[in-house]
Amino acid sequence: AQKITQTQPGMFVQEKEAVTLDCTYDTSDPSYGLFWYKQPSSGEMIFLIYQGSYDQQNATEGRYSLNFQKARKSANLVISASQLGDSAMYFCAMRGATGNQFYFGTGTSLTVIP
Amino acid sequence: EPEVTQTPSHQVTQMGQEVILRCVPISNHLYFYWYRQILGQKVEFLVSFYNNEISEKSEIFDDQFSVERPDGSNFTLKIRSTKLEDSAMYFCVYIGELREQYFGPGTRLTVT
Repeated sequence: AQKITQTQPGMFVQEKEAVTLDCTYDTSDPSYGLFWYKQPSSGEMIFLIYQGSYDQQNATEGRYSLNFQKARKSANLVISASQLGDSAMYFCAMRGATGNQFYFGTGTSLTVIP
Repeated sequence: EPEVTQTPSHQVTQMGQEVILRCVPISNHLYFYWYRQILGQKVEFLVSFYNNEISEKSEIFDDQFSVERPDGSNFTLKIRSTKLEDSAMYFCVYIGELREQYFGPGTRLTVT
């Protein structure tokens, strides 16, 4: 079975600082994908970044980077130079080798302080 | 911009009533999913639909739920007899090139 764990229910960061949101996962699949989504207060789910289990390099997308440590089964999201608009819920998700169903963590609420 | 639209954006219904949530793809996607998110909780998979057939479904997707593609383009999620615990945000989701999933804007269902 697949399991995603986000242990930080809430985080605060000063504007312009970097912040790391933790995500650990558990799977027996040899091949899997890891994803991060942002959910602002408006409720939409916005895809941010993807990391494949066989990717050699950590994924980056603009100010977002994924710190992938396969042996530790962690896929932390790093947001650099935080902006007020980054305040939102952030969800880590995983897709296994078979099927396309995603498994989501419980989310981390990020608040950027001016 | 999402490549799907969902209607209605918000629906209020009484317990026991049937509701139909609609998803309209803008591009030609064959694979669609429905997820739900109860307020303040994590996103949960309901069902995946490929080429007019259900390919996967979760334990949540019981006999009260059904999915269809009634006119070859729109996708619908029907809840036959709503319960209070069906109150949630329902997302229609499609697949990207990396098998990443893009969420539609969602329908907020409130059962009273």
